[in-house]
Amino acid sequence: SQTIHQWPATLVQPVGSPLSLECTVEGTSNPNLYWYRQAAGRGLQLLFYSVGIGQISSEVPQNLSASRPQDRQFILSSKKLLLSDSGFYLCAWSGRLAGADSTDTQYFGPGTRLTVL
Amino acid sequence: GDSVTQMEGPVTLSEEAFLTINCTYTATGYPSLFWYVQYPGEGLQLLLKATKADDKGSNKGFEATYRKETTSFHLEKGSVQVSDSAVYFCALADILTGGGNKLTFGTGTQLKVEL
Repeated sequence: SQTIHQWPATLVQPVGSPLSLECTVEGTSNPNLYWYRQAAGRGLQLLFYSVGIGQISSEVPQNLSASRPQDRQFILSSKKLLLSDSGFYLCAWSGRLAGADSTDTQYFGPGTRLTVL
Repeated sequence: GDSVTQMEGPVTLSEEAFLTINCTYTATGYPSLFWYVQYPGEGLQLLLKATKADDKGSNKGFEATYRKETTSFHLEKGSVQVSDSAVYFCALADILTGGGNKLTFGTGTQLKVEL
């Protein structure tokens, strides 16, 4: 079965510091990978998605970047955090093979709660 | 662009009460529709989905029917339990250029079930 991991689970960082959040998926190959942010009291916003190694698409211009150095690894980064970067960051994956269990169904990781002070 | 509208929360019910959480959508074409549930401090879990008109998704006593004529996907459960207390998100899937898909979420509805 497939599993998705995120770390760290929680993070408190000062303004201006760098950020690296990691997401890995097990039990599947060539997944589509996604980063979402959930701000307090608000819905989820898609930040980045990737359909393959080294392929990153950004949905919202911002202070963050993403990379996919390996097939099942997705990293969210920032060089200098802002207060507005605080939130709950969720990684998700979906299948890409025709006939797989619903390539439009996304499965989420446990999330990373980031507080920027 | 596509959008999802959910009823405002919180919704507070007594155990064994009937639950309805309304969800309507605006989309071009016929996207797949989803309900996700988020327990405190956790990620989102897929609750159920429907991929075409008149499909009924169901799981753990919850169900929702894809209604094209009313562009709705209301979540229902006949008898809620305290353990159902969580935030429920309605979502639709858009195809992204270059592959993959984007989930457009509603703002979520918090459900509190009391004894």
